[in-house]
Amino acid sequence: GAGVSQSPSNKVTEKGKDVELRCDPISGHTALYWYRQRLGQGLEFLIYFQGNSAPDKSGLPSDRFSAERTGESVSTLTIQRTQQEDSAVYLCASSLVGPPNSPLHFGNGTRLTVT
Amino acid sequence: TQLLEQSPQFLSIQEGENLTVYCNSSSVFSSLQWYRQEPGEGPVLLVTVVTGGEVKKLKRLTFQFGDARKDSSLHITAAQTGDTGLYLCAGTDSNYQLIWGAGTKLIIKP
Repeated sequence: GAGVSQSPSNKVTEKGKDVELRCDPISGHTALYWYRQRLGQGLEFLIYFQGNSAPDKSGLPSDRFSAERTGESVSTLTIQRTQQEDSAVYLCASSLVGPPNSPLHFGNGTRLTVT
Repeated sequence: TQLLEQSPQFLSIQEGENLTVYCNSSSVFSSLQWYRQEPGEGPVLLVTVVTGGEVKKLKRLTFQFGDARKDSSLHITAAQTGDTGLYLCAGTDSNYQLIWGAGTKLIIKP
């Protein structure tokens, strides 16, 4: 596909369960970002991958959150032992290169609901 | 912590009116991007400004980067219902990190 693809588009899970969210970036894009967006809010940075460099994990809110990226392809965001406050839309974005001027291309997000 | 403050947080106006949205910081940015997000979708880039004092026009939208590269504005002329959405600004700081504003939710009423 031409754009960033995220799956699933919606996920409902019970408190305490683990979830895995997937992001397929645009082919050739070296940079990949994960963001969290609560209802009606702006974007909360989670993690940033750039090529083969060590990822910037400074935005991960707790050790229940982790993410991996294989080379310059697919990334997965894993949330362990989900809590109700984890409910949000999780957005993935990729860009050709990192900042400053490379625009971000976003997927449509995964809406996570923890019951 | 660097902040990008957007104002207003929420704006609801009638179709045909003009409006301005602001993005302000005490920090200098090497570039600043504006995105629009519609419900159920990810943000989409509208414009990138890189030079202090730069003005860019995109049809009825006018973007300005402050002379000191600390602030930016988005002006919409004769707003249309299709302009409804969440407008986000994002600046690249001296550490090449992308700093996001909290967004302005804009509703254009027919």
